[in-house]
Amino acid sequence: NAGVTQTPKFQVLKTGQSMTLQCAQDMNHEYMSWYRQDPGMGLRLIHYSVGAGITDQGEVPNGYNVSRSTTEDFPLRLLSAAPSQTSVYFCASSISRDSPLHFGNGTRLTVT
Amino acid sequence: GQQLNQSPQSMFIQEGEDVSMNCTSSSIFNTWLWYKQDPGEGPVLLIALYKAGELTSNGRLTAQFGITRKDSFLNISASIPSDVGIYFCAGRTTSGTYKYIFGTGTRLKVLA
Repeated sequence: NAGVTQTPKFQVLKTGQSMTLQCAQDMNHEYMSWYRQDPGMGLRLIHYSVGAGITDQGEVPNGYNVSRSTTEDFPLRLLSAAPSQTSVYFCASSISRDSPLHFGNGTRLTVT
Repeated sequence: GQQLNQSPQSMFIQEGEDVSMNCTSSSIFNTWLWYKQDPGEGPVLLIALYKAGELTSNGRLTAQFGITRKDSFLNISASIPSDVGIYFCAGRTTSGTYKYIFGTGTRLKVLA
């Protein structure tokens, strides 16, 4: 009963470093997405995918890249970390793009 | 970006009291979702609503899809200490995109 699994749970980066946040789901969901959560801002959509090989930008895509080579995995890449990217990142999936989202437990990222 | 207005931002209540919170939008939505988030975890789906006027219960929780399609309400009856957490609403517009917009959350604290 893994659901949506995110790794790592915590990460500290220096400005300019790059890294990949991992997200995997074992529910055969078509739709996957990445959100960031900042105090007082709610959850904001970064990128999403409606199926393997298909990705699109959300509300706040700058500084992030995604790819979807398999149904199960949807990694989020930070190209050159900036302090403004300090946040909690959530991956979510749903069986179809019309269905409710199921969230992972998040990655807390700090950029110094 | 577009956000939902969620109120109240926070509330302290006594154990056993009923709780009400709501979300409003300037856009018409065709889906409303309510989530609860515990510290250090991802949001967990409580209730999903798909039709204007729909009233749906999940145990002590009841949510309604507003008739105008621009608002939704969540009620918790007879609150208990484990109801503590942050409650988020999320809505999806009728614009043809498959993106959920999230409210800024209601932080609930229950005093035993």
